[in-house]
Amino acid sequence: AQSVAQPEDQVNVAEGNPLTVKCTYSVSGNPYLFWYVQYPNRGLQFLLKYITGDNLVKGSYGFEAEFNKSQTSFHLKKPSALVSDSALYFCAVRDIQNTDKLIFGTGTRLQVFP
Amino acid sequence: DSGVTQTPKHLITATGQRVTLRCSPRSGDLSVYWYQQSLDQGLQFLIQYYNGEERAKGNILERFSAQQFPDLHSELNLSSLELGDSALYFCASSVGGDNSPLHFGNGTRLTVT
Repeated sequence: AQSVAQPEDQVNVAEGNPLTVKCTYSVSGNPYLFWYVQYPNRGLQFLLKYITGDNLVKGSYGFEAEFNKSQTSFHLKKPSALVSDSALYFCAVRDIQNTDKLIFGTGTRLQVFP
Repeated sequence: DSGVTQTPKHLITATGQRVTLRCSPRSGDLSVYWYQQSLDQGLQFLIQYYNGEERAKGNILERFSAQQFPDLHSELNLSSLELGDSALYFCASSVGGDNSPLHFGNGTRLTVT
């Protein structure tokens, strides 16, 4: 079965520092991976996706993600964090064996301190 | 703005009652997905419709049902409500296919008292 894991419940980083939010995946076949962000009292917003091609994927709001097949990881990164990046981040994998629904990780809360 | 509209935003009801949550997908999107978000269960997939037909079922209770209408809007019906049904219910839509991301509405917060 397809699954993703987010090993950190919370990540704290100072404003201006680089940030990384970790995600590992377990899939049969080629992975279709996504990152979403959720701000308080809002729905999930799509940040970026990896389907195939370059291992470094660029997305919205200056975020990027690095796909690593050997480590089965898809970590979300940003070179310089902003206080406004503080939110809940979800990694997701497409369940291509069953349907095209997304299976989400448990989420990582990012806190950026001024 | 994702283009996905969910109503109502908040719903407070008593145990044993029945409620209906409504979702209007983005223009042109044929797939509608329902998810439940709770503190202890995270984001759980409930059910998916594609162009009016049920496509996949997830962890949806028998007390819950959904449908997608010819105009592509969808409704999620929750009946015999229990305290544990209190959660955020999200609707998402996509054009369909492996490459297309899901676009989420802002959710309906259901509180069962």
